[in-house]
Amino acid sequence: SAVISQKPSRDICQRGTSLTIQCQVDSQVTMMFWYRQQPGQSLTLIATANQGSEATYESGFVIDKFPISRPNLTFSTLTVSNMSPEDSSIYLCSAEGSGGAEQYFGPGTRLTVT
Amino acid sequence: GENVEQHPSTLSVQEGDSAVIKCTYSDSASNYFPWYKQELGKRPQLIIDIRSNVGEKKDQRIAVTLNKTAKHFSLHITETQPEDSAVYFCAATSGSARQLTFGSGTQLTVLP
Repeated sequence: SAVISQKPSRDICQRGTSLTIQCQVDSQVTMMFWYRQQPGQSLTLIATANQGSEATYESGFVIDKFPISRPNLTFSTLTVSNMSPEDSSIYLCSAEGSGGAEQYFGPGTRLTVT
Repeated sequence: GENVEQHPSTLSVQEGDSAVIKCTYSDSASNYFPWYKQELGKRPQLIIDIRSNVGEKKDQRIAVTLNKTAKHFSLHITETQPEDSAVYFCAATSGSARQLTFGSGTQLTVLP
């Protein structure tokens, strides 16, 4: 399985600011994804990070709020822009495994917006 | 889009008993069904998965069954142990998009 790391592991931010979360995979992968998990809730897909093209966003998520970069096959960033307390959540990246369907998750970034 | 429903939301069993968690999906094109275990404060961990061309898959104490006609799949844990206590999520994905849609989760508690 892919080994996935994320930075930062947690952060406390003031409303109106932005935070960029980094996701690094130990091998080249075609598909990377970003999810949000609110406390005690399930995982919701934010977007698919496409290498060499714009990310594909799910309903309810927009590029201006959650810009994503995917400069190569091992790295992606998610920015949470103009944050409000409602953005307080855990943000997880995932990457596909060698089988092409399974996904493995990073450890997550716990974001608190005050 | 895909919709995945998961039941029950909480499940308590005695150590050594079996636990069953059930999920239904809406998109008949879905063809891959993973199960994740998430311990408190940890990342979701893939524990078993099944593809649509298979009806059942086992891995030691864990098994997953799939009924494509009824569009439901289940996780079975036998001989439960306290370390099985966690939140379990089912998910489904279809086609080339490979996006996962998750169920709402089941908090499993194994009582010693």
